[in-house]
Amino acid sequence: EIVLMQSPGTLSLSPGEGATLSCRASQSVSSSYLAWYQQKPGQAPRLLIYGASSRATGIPDRFSGSGSGTDFTLTISRLEPEDSAVYHCQQYDISPWTFGQGTKVEIK
Amino acid sequence: EVQLLESGGGLVQPGGSLRLSCAASGFTFSSFGMSWVRQAPGKGLEWVSSIIPVGDSAYYADSVKGRFTISRDNSKNTLFLQMNTLRAEDTAVYHCAKGVGVSPRNALDIWGQGTMVTVSS
Repeated sequence: EIVLMQSPGTLSLSPGEGATLSCRASQSVSSSYLAWYQQKPGQAPRLLIYGASSRATGIPDRFSGSGSGTDFTLTISRLEPEDSAVYHCQQYDISPWTFGQGTKVEIK
Repeated sequence: EVQLLESGGGLVQPGGSLRLSCAASGFTFSSFGMSWVRQAPGKGLEWVSSIIPVGDSAYYADSVKGRFTISRDNSKNTLFLQMNTLRAEDTAVYHCAKGVGVSPRNALDIWGQGTMVTVSS
């Protein structure tokens, strides 16, 4: 199965700063099949990005995705307090679909 | 409003069974692939199973294959997960989720809040 490694484990930043989250795959993933989700405590995950770079409906343009092959990135510009959450990447290219272990973003 | 509402979780002994349900509303249920994703306490997300709209093709994680069965009733806008021979490691919050399209090879754009399954003696 494809293993997704996310880094860093935790990111602690101030409002207004930018965040760069990494998702590295153990083998190549087609860019069409890589997603990012945001999950706040006690809530269900929310789709942010699909197809590696397409924003889901209602997602602000502060969130952007990029990458290809084995290296993918979620960038959050101009962090806001409500961006405090765990961010998960997922590949749905090759079954079994797999998720990364998550990156926690803390807003100081 | 687009919504998914899970039910059926609870405490069950190892080796026991549970049937989870997920009631969908606010979208054309019969047009989309659906999935179950679980999250063990303090852990990450784990894909469990997916099913296509017409329900005749299903996909499973190796960890549940042969023990869990996904199904759907499009006339009742409901997704199911029959879980048999439960193990302690199946303890998790189980979310149902809607795929962006028909195929199981899709991101999941709508998620339910989840139902907790605890397997313990």
